[in-house]
Amino acid sequence: NAGVTQTPKFRILKIGQSMTLQCTQDMNHNYMYWYRQDPGMGLKLIYYSVGAGITDKGEVPNGYNVSRSTTEDFPLRLELAAPSQTSVYFCASSYTNKNTEAFFGQGTRLTVV
Amino acid sequence: RKEVEQDPGPFNVPEGATVAFNCTYSNSASQSFFWYRQDCRKEPKLLMSVYSSGNEDGRFTAQLNRASQYISLLIRDSKLSDSATYLCVVKGATNKLIFGTGTLLAVQP
Repeated sequence: NAGVTQTPKFRILKIGQSMTLQCTQDMNHNYMYWYRQDPGMGLKLIYYSVGAGITDKGEVPNGYNVSRSTTEDFPLRLELAAPSQTSVYFCASSYTNKNTEAFFGQGTRLTVV
Repeated sequence: RKEVEQDPGPFNVPEGATVAFNCTYSNSASQSFFWYRQDCRKEPKLLMSVYSSGNEDGRFTAQLNRASQYISLLIRDSKLSDSATYLCVVKGATNKLIFGTGTLLAVQP
């Protein structure tokens, strides 16, 4: 099993450009999450999904969009990139049961210049 | 008030020491509680879940106090390899998984 796979691993964007961060999982997990982690800080929840076709805002959704057309994929879209979106982005997934572990991808390091 | 709060540290301790981390959460409807470990520039990984009765895994002991909305992690006989950031995580009724800012532990030889 590959687990949670994120692409790309690194990216440099210019201000105003757009991009999609890809996340896919092969564990048949219902729940998926997108976080950002700024240097020296904890993880902040951007968006999450409890199943295909269902998405909800987290703590810091502004400037981002998501979709969940399949159980496996949960892409994160950045429109009009800004320097404040420079961060490490982590995708995670878990089963429905409340005490189950969330598995993380290796992260995407994004710099907006 | 933040949903999940932790002392950011850093905690600098010698090998063999016992160290305790604390965490508080604001939403009384929170359902599940976890401690994750994050090594520098890596993804977080589950250290242990936290159960109401308290639970132990080797040198690690986790406690939950629902009345005080307080979670703790105790590490006994610290090893150099324990150096990392420890993240308190809370899952609410809406299935959001909220992380604290993390506590940095540095174990010194």
